[in-house]
Amino acid sequence: GNSVTQMEGPVTLSEEAFLTINCTYTATGYPSLFWYVQYPGEGLQLLLKATKADDKGSNKGFEATYRKETTSFHLEKGSVQVSDSAVYFCALSGGSSASKIIFGSGTRLSIRP
Amino acid sequence: NAGVTQTPKFQVLKTGQSMTLQCAQDMNHNSMYWYRQDPGMGLRLIYYSASEGTTDKGEVPNGYNVSRLNKREFSLRLESAAPSQTSVYFCASMRDRANEKLFFGSGTQLSVL
Repeated sequence: GNSVTQMEGPVTLSEEAFLTINCTYTATGYPSLFWYVQYPGEGLQLLLKATKADDKGSNKGFEATYRKETTSFHLEKGSVQVSDSAVYFCALSGGSSASKIIFGSGTRLSIRP
Repeated sequence: NAGVTQTPKFQVLKTGQSMTLQCAQDMNHNSMYWYRQDPGMGLRLIYYSASEGTTDKGEVPNGYNVSRLNKREFSLRLESAAPSQTSVYFCASMRDRANEKLFFGSGTQLSVL
């Protein structure tokens, strides 16, 4: 079945550092890929998505490129801020049911001022 | 703008008790989902309903049942609660396959003693 693997956290960075959070996937067919973010005490919200190979999703300075050849969808940001501290989840849809959406284990990110 | 509403927000049960978690969305979405969130495990899909009248198992369905009561409501039932079901439960909805964005409720913190 489909699966999503994320780098383990927590990740701690200083403000203005470069961020990469790795995500790889296993899937049949052509899944859509997502990054969701969960701020403390809140539910998840969509950060960005990509629906086909080589697509780049972007939002709030974050980017991720759908790489079919490496089955990856790594999240990047050039200069992180304290307000980016949150838990980030990689996810995919597809497989036996196009509506089935599964998530990775999440990566907690903490940014030091 | 209620979005996705979950009740209750907190619940404590004794082993063997039963309860139903309620979820309702007012966005006319077709698909609805139940996830559980555990430390280090990310979000795991319990059940989902791609459209009114259908339900399908997710990654961890054992010990749970669901009912898609109508297009708005999707309930999750624990027939005989176990300590392993202590978790935070999130309901989510999505308009359709063409617009793959999940909207999440604020979660239910469930403790089974």
